[in-house]
Amino acid sequence: GQQLNQSPQSMFIQEGEDVSMNCTSSSIFNTWLWYKQDPGEGPVLLIALYKAGELTSNGRLTAQFGITRKDSFLNISASIPSDVGIYFCAGQSSTNAGKSTFGDGTTLTVKP
Amino acid sequence: SQTIHQWPATLVQPVGSPLSLECTVEGTSNPNLYWYRQAAGRGLQLLFYSVGIGQISSEVPQNLSASRPQDRQFILSSKKLLLSDSGFYLCAWSVVRDEQYFGPGTRLTVT
Repeated sequence: GQQLNQSPQSMFIQEGEDVSMNCTSSSIFNTWLWYKQDPGEGPVLLIALYKAGELTSNGRLTAQFGITRKDSFLNISASIPSDVGIYFCAGQSSTNAGKSTFGDGTTLTVKP
Repeated sequence: SQTIHQWPATLVQPVGSPLSLECTVEGTSNPNLYWYRQAAGRGLQLLFYSVGIGQISSEVPQNLSASRPQDRQFILSSKKLLLSDSGFYLCAWSVVRDEQYFGPGTRLTVT
């Protein structure tokens, strides 16, 4: 089946630093999605991307849909303590309509 | 606005006991519904998804089953729980493309 490689697996950063994480796939995706999960809660959708090359922002978060349609990036600028959590990428292909493939997540720790 | 409910929030069950987890969605019609399981510190494993009443697709052969008796109700069940069924169970819905919205989850511990 389809697999997503999400990296890094974990990050420890200082408050105020910028963060970058990415997902790559061996398959082409039509949609890329980024979620954040706080401890003990369900994931929350942050950004949805639908076109190759698309760059979308949500506050301090910016995500890009890779031109090859096989990767996506999420950047967080000027991190704050509440950015702590697990960030998941997810992709959907035309052969798997209605179902997303999820990455294993990037665990972010922000030191005040 | 749309909301999704899951209950119970936490559950401790002995091995061999039955299971029933419920998920309901408000504020939307004919959503796609999903059940995921998340092991501690791990990613999301899709267990079941449904595109309509009575339509269930199973993603992983296992000890669990799902049912959708009403448009906005999704139930996860087991006749006999195994230790390996422990985990964090998440229900999600989508109507627009594949933007999924998750419930608060149920923490299941099988002892």
